[in-house]
Amino acid sequence: SYVLTQPPSVSVAPGQTARITCGENNIGSKSVHWYQQKPGQAPVLVVHDDSDRPSGISERFSGSSSANTATLTISRVEAGDEADYFCQVWDSSSNYVFGTGTKVTVL
Amino acid sequence: EVQLGESGGGLIQPGGSLRLSCAASGLNVYSNHVSWVRQAPGKGLEWVSVIYSDGSVDYADSVKGRFMMFRDDNKNTMFLQMNSLRAEDTAVYYCARDVHGGSYYFDIWGQGTLVTVSS
Repeated sequence: SYVLTQPPSVSVAPGQTARITCGENNIGSKSVHWYQQKPGQAPVLVVHDDSDRPSGISERFSGSSSANTATLTISRVEAGDEADYFCQVWDSSSNYVFGTGTKVTVL
Repeated sequence: EVQLGESGGGLIQPGGSLRLSCAASGLNVYSNHVSWVRQAPGKGLEWVSVIYSDGSVDYADSVKGRFMMFRDDNKNTMFLQMNSLRAEDTAVYYCARDVHGGSYYFDIWGQGTLVTVSS
């Protein structure tokens, strides 16, 4: 089955750049989507199809993907970006697969 | 504005049954694909089931044979009938709209409803 591995936590100072990775063999052949989830709230889509932003999502959120790793980048980090982030792909054998999740802490 | 709203969660004993509802506004359920996604306390997201616009359904292996997803087009509502509940089914259950273009993802989520399976 497909397993998407994320670092459990990332810490970043305000104004700096946070990078969250999502790893799996050959993930570059799939479209990767990213969700932000703040405590007690439902997930919110922040990036879809590797690098596209939904309407209303800050341009500070961007995504990229290579052979075995997809990356969500948060530029000029703000206190309000503190949340859990999950990657997600669709696989024909596993259907929807979510990453293990990364907690972003703003120092 | 497109919205999804879940209801029906609660405390249920192991082996029991519960039916969750997901009411949609601003979209027609019969022309959209909708999934249930759950999140156990302090854990990550797990896809549970999907109902496609044509009415066909699919389930995660962890719930296959125990859960059934269906919809009422007249009420614009999706349902998740959960039977033979286990402690490991304890989670917040979200319904979410599936986007099926070149890839599959969830663009709209409900606020979630908590299911606790415990004696």
